[in-house]
Amino acid sequence: AQSVTQPDIHITVSEGASLELRCNYSYGATPYLFWYVQSPGQGLQLLLKYFSGDTLVQGIKGFEAEFKRSQSSFNLRKPSVHWSDAAEYFCAVGPPLTGGGNKLTFGTGTQLKVEL
Amino acid sequence: EAQVTQNPRYLITVTGKKLTVTCSQNMNHEYMSWYRQDPGLGLRQIYYSMNVEATDKGDVPEGYKVSRKEKRNFPLILESPSPNQTSLYFCASSSNGRRGGYGYTFGSGTRLTVV
Repeated sequence: AQSVTQPDIHITVSEGASLELRCNYSYGATPYLFWYVQSPGQGLQLLLKYFSGDTLVQGIKGFEAEFKRSQSSFNLRKPSVHWSDAAEYFCAVGPPLTGGGNKLTFGTGTQLKVEL
Repeated sequence: EAQVTQNPRYLITVTGKKLTVTCSQNMNHEYMSWYRQDPGLGLRQIYYSMNVEATDKGDVPEGYKVSRKEKRNFPLILESPSPNQTSLYFCASSSNGRRGGYGYTFGSGTRLTVV
């Protein structure tokens, strides 16, 4: 069965500092990979997704993520964090686009705190 | 505006009193799903539907029912709620199409408390 691990429950960074949130997955094939962000009291918003091609993908709000097949990882990065980035971030995996339905399996989330 | 609408946003109920949380999407999506979010556990899938009259269990279906009589609506039914169903619930939808992928659109969530 597929699984997603986000090893960092909480991360605190200073505004303007760089950010990397870790995500490791377990899946039988190369899955479809996502990062979502959840601001307090809000639903989940898609930041970016990867299913093939260039392993470095760009998303909204200045985020990017790199797919590394050899490490089964899909880490999220941002060069300079803004106070408004404080939120909870979820990594998710789904079946490859060749088939298998649409079910997304989510990690347990990483809570990001930004210090001013 | 393309969106998934859940109602209510907040609900406090008593053990055993049947309730329904509604979910509606205006994007003509085939796929709809319910998740619950609990601290430290992330989001776990309750039920999903690939299309009208096609529903199936997710990872944590016990105590829940769903129906999909129309493409746009996917209500979540708790026939006899219990305190362990206190949680934050999200409805999501996506297309089944392969071109462009199937990123989910989420509703704003329903905070349910069962006392």
